[in-house]
Amino acid sequence: AQTVTQSQPEMSVQEAETVTLSCTYDTSESNYYLFWYKQPPSRQMILVIRQEAYKQQNATENRFSVNFQKAAKSFSLKISDSQLGDTAMYFCAFMKHAGDDKIIFGKGTRLHILP
Amino acid sequence: DAGVIQSPRHEVTEMGQEVTLRCKPISGHNSLFWYRQTMMRGLELLIYFNNNVPIDDSGMPEDRFSAKMPNASFSTLKIQPSEPRDSAVYFCASSFMARANTEAFFGQGTRLTVV
Repeated sequence: AQTVTQSQPEMSVQEAETVTLSCTYDTSESNYYLFWYKQPPSRQMILVIRQEAYKQQNATENRFSVNFQKAAKSFSLKISDSQLGDTAMYFCAFMKHAGDDKIIFGKGTRLHILP
Repeated sequence: DAGVIQSPRHEVTEMGQEVTLRCKPISGHNSLFWYRQTMMRGLELLIYFNNNVPIDDSGMPEDRFSAKMPNASFSTLKIQPSEPRDSAVYFCASSFMARANTEAFFGQGTRLTVV
């Protein structure tokens, strides 16, 4: 069974700093998808970024980027120039392949951006 | 599109009562997920449907929980009888599987409190 581990339950950084959230996963699959979701205090789950395992290039979305290390089964999220609105829970998620499978989430990292 | 719609947003019920949570997925999506979020366990997948058929219900905690998807536009999660330990936020999500780079879109969640 696939598992997703986020080893940092909580983090705090100053506004405008760069922060990296860690995520590791365990799978025997060769092709899969990885996601980072954000959950602000409003409780809404919002997709931040996604990565397909067969793509070597790391995904980027504006201030958000990932460091995908397939061999190490690591998928960290980097937030550059952090903003107060980035304060939220961040969940790393895994999906085996498109077409027939479920999305498994880590337990989340609570990120506080301090003014 | 209105997104995934869940009702009610909040539910307070007494122990032993039946609780029914409702979900309307995004039109055209063929997969639907029910998740439960608690502080202790994070986001747990309870059950997921593909084309209205339950594919994996291994996350359903016990027989008190049941889920149905009678058609492509409606699903229910029922707890009978409810217990205080069922208190959590319950999320419904939908996606279009079989499409590359698919993501799950979440509803706003139902906060259930069993007293």
